[in-house]
Amino acid sequence: EAEVAQSPRYKITEKSQAVAFWCDPISGHATLYWYRQILGQGPELLVQFQDESVVDDSQLPKDRFSAERLKGVDSTLKIQPAELGDSAMYLCASSPESYEQYFGPGTRLTVT
Amino acid sequence: DQQVKQNSPSLSVQEGRISILNCDYTNSMFDYFLWYKKYPAEGPTFLISISSIKDKNEDGRFTVFLNKSAKHLSLHIVPSQPGDSAVYFCAASFFGNEKLTFGTGTRLTIIP
Repeated sequence: EAEVAQSPRYKITEKSQAVAFWCDPISGHATLYWYRQILGQGPELLVQFQDESVVDDSQLPKDRFSAERLKGVDSTLKIQPAELGDSAMYLCASSPESYEQYFGPGTRLTVT
Repeated sequence: DQQVKQNSPSLSVQEGRISILNCDYTNSMFDYFLWYKKYPAEGPTFLISISSIKDKNEDGRFTVFLNKSAKHLSLHIVPSQPGDSAVYFCAASFFGNEKLTFGTGTRLTIIP
């Protein structure tokens, strides 16, 4: 069964450092999402791509976060500089033009 | 402003009995609702969904009920099994926008 791949699974970084996460969606899925999930809360959308175009990045803190999906396939989410409050699970999801989204295993980020 | 609310952070149910998880929403524009299940260190997995034109959708042991007038939905699991122990998120969307708004989750524990 096809799955969304994410790496790394875990990342520990010091504040003010740069960090990047990678996501490879299910083949053929045009829509890709990045979510942030803080402990005890539900996932919150950071950015949504349709192919290589950004559809919604209204909740992305653009002063320090950036996301790209250059060829409309895999995607990278970057944080620079990381802050203590960025510690969270970062989830990537993809969907085949439906409401149903398929999630990857996530990257657990700890900022020290 | 929490548009999707799961007011019970945790629930314990005896194996074999019915588990009922509740979700309330405030935005009357929502017309599609989903339930996701999440195990520790994994991404959420889609479980079941319901469109606002229906009031019930059933899939095996899982049934979702929607009460539009009360802006309330519930997930019933019958019979509950130990493997059902997980965090359950409800999510909502509206026509023409695939963005999901998640609740804060309910941790279900099935007691053998």
